[in-house]
Amino acid sequence: DGGITQSPKYLFRKEGQNVTLSCEQNLNHDAMYWYRQDPGQGLRLIYYSQIVNDFQKGDIAEGYSVSREKKESFPLTVTSAQKNPTAFYLCASSPTEGSLNYNEQFFGPGTRLTVL
Amino acid sequence: DQQVKQNSPSLSVQEGRISILNCDYTNSMFDYFLWYKKYPAEGPTFLISISSIKDKNEDGRFTVFLNKSAKHLSLHIVPSQPGDSAVYFCAASPVKTSYDKVIFGPGTSLSVIP
Repeated sequence: DGGITQSPKYLFRKEGQNVTLSCEQNLNHDAMYWYRQDPGQGLRLIYYSQIVNDFQKGDIAEGYSVSREKKESFPLTVTSAQKNPTAFYLCASSPTEGSLNYNEQFFGPGTRLTVL
Repeated sequence: DQQVKQNSPSLSVQEGRISILNCDYTNSMFDYFLWYKKYPAEGPTFLISISSIKDKNEDGRFTVFLNKSAKHLSLHIVPSQPGDSAVYFCAASPVKTSYDKVIFGPGTSLSVIP
């Protein structure tokens, strides 16, 4: 089954600790994305990567870091510098070639992070 | 300041009736408009889109209407079915070249009552 997996589904962290959220895809997509969703707000882009070993900041990158060492994997680290880390985090992937029909970006099920 | 707004957090509709979900935007540079659907414990999935050169796009039971002068779009679902119960996100983009430019609204939770 092709898709995107995010783990864990729920994550708890003590204030001041770094935590890494996992995102894996087996769709052979070049591009991957991390979004954050807060109550009453839409998805906001944190980081994205169009190709292995390259990534760009999104709208709200401060306090986050990513790596893209493998095509299938795009882990997100929420650092202690992120002032309000409690949120729902969504990972997505898409191809970069071909026409953009918007139906080719696939999202994972998300990870809910709670800082205690 | 939110560039894409969905002012109704929730909506309840009887099965078989029409569901109308509304969305307003502020950025006149937006050229493409999208609707996504999200079930609990799943990621959002793309539903339907419309380009700014059109005022209507239809796909089966789903129709999106765009009023550029009012900076308003709406999603109509006819007839509504219980399986349509989900959160619907409106989104907009100034270009059709990359997903990283897409701006999402906060979502409207639709409940279709059998």
